[in-house]
Amino acid sequence: AQKITQTQPGMFVQEKEAVTLDCTYDTSDQSYGLFWYKQPSSGEMIFLIYQGSYDEQNATEGRYSLNFQKARKSANLVISASQLGDSAMYFCAMREGRYGGSQGNLIFGKGTKLSVKP
Amino acid sequence: KAGVTQTPRYLIKTRGQQVTLSCSPISGHRSVSWYQQTPGQGLQFLFEYFSETQRNKGNFPGRFSGRQFSNSRSEMNVSTLELGDSALYLCASSLVRGPGQETQYFGPGTRLLVL
Repeated sequence: AQKITQTQPGMFVQEKEAVTLDCTYDTSDQSYGLFWYKQPSSGEMIFLIYQGSYDEQNATEGRYSLNFQKARKSANLVISASQLGDSAMYFCAMREGRYGGSQGNLIFGKGTKLSVKP
Repeated sequence: KAGVTQTPRYLIKTRGQQVTLSCSPISGHRSVSWYQQTPGQGLQFLFEYFSETQRNKGNFPGRFSGRQFSNSRSEMNVSTLELGDSALYLCASSLVRGPGQETQYFGPGTRLLVL
């Protein structure tokens, strides 16, 4: 079974509008971390935002916010005021706390390709 | 502060050859992880090193190996290259700020093409 599910292979959004990219995860660990990365066509993975499983407030970083719904095992990324430069692949990832904290590898979803229209 | 650097950025090899990729983490980061990205399999974890010790390993054959030096720089080696090894190889360095608080920063990757 997939541990990270991104159900939207591709999405379009109009410039300056907000967009939500979906991510659901599956883990039995109590301690885990959730990440979102942006990968432009150049290939580099750009860290966007992080949410720890014990964080009660949703993480925010500039135009990025993470809508964390722990009971639903959902960690959706919200991008406000989309820009043309936001066009890229977006990956949701999880790090389980198998070793008692913040260790263990990242497990990635298959990604969502976001295209911002002018 | 400089980011994660990877060398070389591009590489072309033929089947049967071996290759060594290098990764220098962000200063102060002691954990280095390697990932393979292909269109078919997506992003897959290879291994993680911390303080010169392999702490975690993904499901890859023994042809894939790695090591970490005392300055936290890491290398990965692939021996007896196969066509399917063509991929983008990404290195990430990690900083743990506290319990459950962490960031992982990736390098630009090495694009390997096996002919």
